[in-house]
Amino acid sequence: KAGVTQTPRYLIKTRGQQVTLSCSPISGHRSVSWYQQTPGQGLQFLFEYFSETQRNKGNFPGRFSGRQFSNSRSEMNVSTLELGDSALYLCASSSLIDAEAFFGQGTRLTVV
Amino acid sequence: TQLLEQSPQFLSIQEGENLTVYCNSSSVFSSLQWYRQEPGEGPVLLVTVVTGGEVKKLKRLTFQFGDARKDSSLHITAAQPGDTGLYLCAGEEGYQKVTFGTGTKLQVIP
Repeated sequence: KAGVTQTPRYLIKTRGQQVTLSCSPISGHRSVSWYQQTPGQGLQFLFEYFSETQRNKGNFPGRFSGRQFSNSRSEMNVSTLELGDSALYLCASSSLIDAEAFFGQGTRLTVV
Repeated sequence: TQLLEQSPQFLSIQEGENLTVYCNSSSVFSSLQWYRQEPGEGPVLLVTVVTGGEVKKLKRLTFQFGDARKDSSLHITAAQPGDTGLYLCAGEEGYQKVTFGTGTKLQVIP
């Protein structure tokens, strides 16, 4: 069974640009959550999608958005990038049965 | 969102030593998970505990869920360099709502 796949693994962007990150969950998982991880703030919840609907949202500005497609694949978009957006962005998928989250390897975003 | 405080934040020990990591909150959780994360990788699930007082063993790792389901501990016996990593606890508050702890960075020196 394939795990959670995130693409790309690494990304370098310039301040002011926008970026789109992709996440393919484990087959059969319909819940996808996104997290931002930085050394100073730890793992912070961005949002969660289930069946193409956003169910939960963390305390991030509107520049951070996401969506989920009918095949459960999810994308996260960050517009008008700031230096402080540099982080490891993690996607996790889970099933309906329990809350165990299975993480992808993450996308390391560097904003210069 | 409730906070999950982990202690200690950092731990550097010699191979063969024992250690305990704590995860505390004022909230009651329906379940609690422990993850280990290596640099540049995503967290990997180690265990889930769901019953107050529950103890689970995974080789040299022992996990305990507090009786009141507000806290948990992870004990590692005879630590090895391969145990090095960031240990994260995560509590489920409501349906599919998970809060992650602040993390404990462990370094095991050969």
